[in-house]
Amino acid sequence: AQTVTQSQPEMSVQEAETVTLSCTYDTSESDYYLFWYKQPPSRQMILVIRQEAYKQQNATENRFSVNFQKAAKSFSLKISDSQLGDAAMYFCAYKRGVQGAQKLVFGQGTRLTINP
Amino acid sequence: NAGVTQTPKFQVLKTGQSMTLQCAQDMNHNSMYWYRQDPGMGLRLIYYSASEGTTDKGEVPNGYNVSRLNKREFSLRLESAAPSQTSVYFCASIIGQGGYGYTFGSGTRLTVV
Repeated sequence: AQTVTQSQPEMSVQEAETVTLSCTYDTSESDYYLFWYKQPPSRQMILVIRQEAYKQQNATENRFSVNFQKAAKSFSLKISDSQLGDAAMYFCAYKRGVQGAQKLVFGQGTRLTINP
Repeated sequence: NAGVTQTPKFQVLKTGQSMTLQCAQDMNHNSMYWYRQDPGMGLRLIYYSASEGTTDKGEVPNGYNVSRLNKREFSLRLESAAPSQTSVYFCASIIGQGGYGYTFGSGTRLTVV
């Protein structure tokens, strides 16, 4: 079974600085998707960024980018120019690429604090 | 607005009581999911429904039952609530073939006393 590990329960960063959240996963599949979700205090789950495993280029969405290392099974999230609104729980998630029941497997989460 | 609607948002139950969490999506998605979120454990899959008329167990199904009433609705039932079921529950549906992950409901905070 696939597993996702986030080894940093909590992280903090000064406003306007850069922070990197770590995620590793275990799979024997070659076709899969990886996601980062943000959960602010409102509890809503918000998709931040996604990566398709067959694409070598790292995904980027404005201030958010990933470092996808397929061989190392690592998928870290970099937040540049941190803003107070980035404070949230962040979850890394994995999904197999095959069709059928498309279950997401989540990591334990990292709580990010932004210091003004 | 299109999306996943969960009810209720908050609930307090006494041990042994039963309740049903409701979930509906209006995006014509085939697959729907129920997760629970506990501190330090992320989101864990309880049950899922790959299509109308089918349901399957996830990682933590004990103490729960589900019904896929139709393509829109997927309910989660606690027959005899226990304090260990205190959690935040999320319903979700998959977007297309899953390459864009889930659309989530807003969650239900359940406390069992």
